[in-house]
Amino acid sequence: DIVMTQSPDSLAVSLGERATINCKSSQSVLHSSDSNNYLAWYQQRPGQPPKLLIFWASTRVSGVPDRFSASGSRTDFTLTISSLQAEDVAVYYCQQYYSSPYTFGQGTELEIK
Amino acid sequence: EVQLVESGGGLVKPGGSLRLSCVASGLTFTKAWMTWVRQAPGKGLEWVGRIKTNSEGATTDYAAPVKGRFTISRDDSKNMVYLQMNSLKTEDTAFYYCTAQQLGFDPWGQGTLVIVSS
Repeated sequence: DIVMTQSPDSLAVSLGERATINCKSSQSVLHSSDSNNYLAWYQQRPGQPPKLLIFWASTRVSGVPDRFSASGSRTDFTLTISSLQAEDVAVYYCQQYYSSPYTFGQGTELEIK
Repeated sequence: EVQLVESGGGLVKPGGSLRLSCVASGLTFTKAWMTWVRQAPGKGLEWVGRIKTNSEGATTDYAAPVKGRFTISRDDSKNMVYLQMNSLKTEDTAFYYCTAQQLGFDPWGQGTLVIVSS
């Protein structure tokens, strides 16, 4: 199984400041057939189901604010929120959909400092 | 609007069974791989299993903790996917979410809570 490890486990950032979350996979999720990284990022606000933010490691879902960006390849990935807003308080998960079982990171809890 | 709605959760004793249902709307259901993900209260997300499309043989795949106890099925005529859970254990207590596996998992239902307790 591919193990997904996020860092940090929790993060406190001031409003308007940058937040960065890292995700590392135990093996590459770059598919040679299409050169895509099978890596997604989700946001889960309190009491809500997860919401897909990013797929193919760096492609934002339509409607997701452009302050959210993501990068990385193979085994190392990053989600960045350029200017933190109050509504961004949530737990963020990375997930690989390269191979079954489709594993998630343990989550990073983002709060306002 | 694409929407998934789960139902069927509740309280069940260890060793018991429960069937969860998920109805989809606004989605080309026949082309969607449907997936169940669970989340124990206060914990992270855990993939449970997936069913491919009927044209792909409705092939299923399961996470190790539920393999042999849980079964996913689908009824494309009703836009429904099911999760049959047998031999339930206390550690199966969780919110169960239905989601479509496309580019990542999207959308998600609101979830249904399963509590396994004596």
